[in-house]
Amino acid sequence: GDSVTQMEGPVTLSEEAFLTINCTYTATGYPSLFWYVQYPGEGLQLLLKATKADDKGSNKGFEATYRKETTSFHLEKGSVQVSDSAVYFCALRDDKIIFGKGTRLHILP
Amino acid sequence: DTGVSQDPRHKITKRGQNVTFRCDPISEHNRLYWYRQTLGQGPEFLTYFQNEAQLEKSRLLSDRFSAERPKGSFSTLEIQRTEQGDSAMYLCASTPRGNHNEQFFGPGTRLTVL
Repeated sequence: GDSVTQMEGPVTLSEEAFLTINCTYTATGYPSLFWYVQYPGEGLQLLLKATKADDKGSNKGFEATYRKETTSFHLEKGSVQVSDSAVYFCALRDDKIIFGKGTRLHILP
Repeated sequence: DTGVSQDPRHKITKRGQNVTFRCDPISEHNRLYWYRQTLGQGPEFLTYFQNEAQLEKSRLLSDRFSAERPKGSFSTLEIQRTEQGDSAMYLCASTPRGNHNEQFFGPGTRLTVL
């Protein structure tokens, strides 16, 4: 079945560092891909999405590009802030959403 | 706040008791989804409705679990004879007619089974 694999955390970075969180997927079709974020004590929020190959999703300085050839959707940000500390979930949609296990990100001031 | 509400936000119960959770989706969203999230894991799909019809159920949804959406608006998820392994966050999400790409999640109900 369809699945999502993302890098394990926690990931700890200093403020203004460059962030990459790797995500790869397995799917029989061409699913839409997502990154969701869960801030401490809050619900899941959609961070960005891409619906077809080579699409780039972006929001709040985060970016991810749908790479069909490598079945990847890596999340990047050029300069992280303390407020980016959260758990990030890579996901694909096949009617229901299939989530990765999540990557906890800690940003140190 | 996405507009999806869940009640209660927290529930503590003893093993063997029945519990029921409610989800109110965004008004006029025709699809409603239930997920379960255990500590350190991503959410896992349980079931979803289109209007009042339950279209898919996960194998995770044992016979002790039942979900309803009788009028195609709010939904309830009941767990009978709770077990400690049922302790988790139960998430609800909804999507509007014609655009099921973005699911709007509620804050979740955290269940603790003692």
